[in-house]
Amino acid sequence: AQKVTQAQTEISVVEKEDVTLDCVYETRDTTYYLFWYKQPPSGELVFLIRRNSFDEQNEISGRYSWNFQKSTSSFNFTITASQVVDSAVYFCALSEAGVTGGGNKLTFGTGTQLKVEL
Amino acid sequence: GAVVSQHPSWVICKSGTSVKIECRSLDFQATTMFWYRQFPKQSLMLMATSNEGSKATYEQGVEKDKFLINHASLTLSTLTVTSAHPEDSSFYICSAREWWTDFFGSGTRLTVV
Repeated sequence: AQKVTQAQTEISVVEKEDVTLDCVYETRDTTYYLFWYKQPPSGELVFLIRRNSFDEQNEISGRYSWNFQKSTSSFNFTITASQVVDSAVYFCALSEAGVTGGGNKLTFGTGTQLKVEL
Repeated sequence: GAVVSQHPSWVICKSGTSVKIECRSLDFQATTMFWYRQFPKQSLMLMATSNEGSKATYEQGVEKDKFLINHASLTLSTLTVTSAHPEDSSFYICSAREWWTDFFGSGTRLTVV
């Protein structure tokens, strides 16, 4: 069975600090996808990134960066120079790949509440 | 990115009545959609997987007769909470899958009084 662990329940930082959100996953499949979603107070889940299990290249998008390490089954997310608008709950998720990409459900971590203060 | 629209954003209904929530993929076709329930300060709990043209697959413990799901087209899935009771009050959120990525609606806050 697949499992996603986000050990950090809540993190508070001061604006402009860098912050890393941890994600550790478990799966028996060799082919899978990892995701990060942002859930601001308004409630919708915003897709941030998808990474497949064969691509261990780190990715950077603006102030966001992701570090995927299969050796430690981790997919950590770093926000550089955090801003108040980054305050949200961040979810890491995993799905095992199917032939068509449909039907395999997402397994979510418990989420990390990030609070960025002035 | 892909856009998923969910309506209504919030609804208040009387106990015993039914409520329908719609989930639409606006710029892509989704063979598979998902329905989740989220309690305050908790993660998302998958209720059911909705496949276009076939019956939904419900997660263990979810009452299929209470939470009716219909996926009549490649862009629309609906969740009907039948004979709602106060314990059904929650945040319901749908997602639609485009290839291997799930895009989420904005959620529906249901309050049953």
